[in-house]
Amino acid sequence: DQQVKQNSPSLSVQEGRISILNCDYTNSMFDYFLWYKKYPAEGPTFLISISSIKDKNEDGRFTVFLNKSAKHLSLHIVPSQPGDSAVYFCAAVARFPGQGAQKLVFGQGTRLTINP
Amino acid sequence: DGGITQSPKYLFRKEGQNVTLSCEQNLNHDAMYWYRQDPGQGLRLIYYSQIVNDFQKGDIAEGYSVSREKKESFPLTVTSAQKNPTAFYLCASSPGLAGNTIYFGEGSWLTVV
Repeated sequence: DQQVKQNSPSLSVQEGRISILNCDYTNSMFDYFLWYKKYPAEGPTFLISISSIKDKNEDGRFTVFLNKSAKHLSLHIVPSQPGDSAVYFCAAVARFPGQGAQKLVFGQGTRLTINP
Repeated sequence: DGGITQSPKYLFRKEGQNVTLSCEQNLNHDAMYWYRQDPGQGLRLIYYSQIVNDFQKGDIAEGYSVSREKKESFPLTVTSAQKNPTAFYLCASSPGLAGNTIYFGEGSWLTVV
């Protein structure tokens, strides 16, 4: 049972345009969401996150939007740059009181290619 | 079933003691990773290994050590030099560092008392 889904395995975007990566989840207990970026030959690195009490979080060129009613989040990158070409993982967490973050549930990843 | 097994799931350690977290995978993956997660933060890479007998430091390697004597095993030792070891530790593996399929274990909670 895939609780976090990234239905697009790949995405190609022109340099300078907006990249939109999507993620859907099924578990309503998830209350914290993260995006990770992975380059070839490197481990995944944290990119940006959002708590369920918010619907938007912005960090420079990266913005994450959360639609709780639709159980959907998206990552927007604008403007897209060649260095953004990587695999992006969506992840979700269901917290338990007193224990901080619990197990991360990751999506399958989306390979983003930025074309010059 | 194929997967990554981390043990123990919960571990308490006294200050000044070393502790080793186990990570075993039967996925025949070449690459393995250790991440640490603190409340409210994303994963931070501690160490990773591309192949047997090879490993590299990640972003926060100080106070940790690893070994990769077997392909399926990548134990992490949290030494007494680690100043703030209480955290959630995640092991992961992938077919190779260039792959985009990363499998994570269930995690290990380490609490220093």
